[in-house]
Amino acid sequence: DIVMTQGALPNPVPSGESASITCQSSKSLLYSDGKTYLNWYLQRPGQSPQLLIYWMSTRASGVSDRFSGSGSGTDFTLKISRVEAEDVGVYYCQQFLEFPVTFGSGTKLEIK
Amino acid sequence: EVQLVESGGGLVQPGRSLKLSCAASGFTFSNYYMAWVRQAPKKGLEWVATISTSGSRTYYPDSVKGRFTISRDNAKSSLYLQMNSLKSEDTATYYCARHAELGPSFDYWGQGVMVTVSS
Repeated sequence: DIVMTQGALPNPVPSGESASITCQSSKSLLYSDGKTYLNWYLQRPGQSPQLLIYWMSTRASGVSDRFSGSGSGTDFTLKISRVEAEDVGVYYCQQFLEFPVTFGSGTKLEIK
Repeated sequence: EVQLVESGGGLVQPGRSLKLSCAASGFTFSNYYMAWVRQAPKKGLEWVATISTSGSRTYYPDSVKGRFTISRDNAKSSLYLQMNSLKSEDTATYYCARHAELGPSFDYWGQGVMVTVSS
């Protein structure tokens, strides 16, 4: 199984600052079609997860352009620019290259 | 508006069975792969099962393979998860999720249903 490892954030992050969340996969998520099968989700407190980014860097419909994804085949970063109160929650990376689909353990974002 | 509404959760004893349902609306259910994802209390997300559009193909992680069965009824726009031989470690909130059409991911999630396995 592909293991996804997420880094921690130096919480709390001051409002208006940027935050970067890292994620590493145990196998390259770059597929032969040129796409990288890495997704990011946000789970706000008491809510279901919501899709933020797919194919490593493509924002899902309706997602603010303050969220951006980047990386290589095994190392990934979700950057949140100008953090706001509504960004609070747990961020998960997920690989969708192969079954079993696996998630990182989550990174909590708190705002000051 | 896409809606996924789970039901069927509750308290069940170890070794017993439970069946979850997910009612879908707001999209053409039969065109989408569907999945179940769970989250143990205060823990992260774990994918549990996926089913193809026709139901002919199903996928499971080793942790539930042989005990859980995902199924669907396209005529009723409904997704199911039959859980047998339940263990305490199956205690979690179970989410119904839709596989996105563009970019493999889960683009819509239900509100979740709680399953507690305890004697």
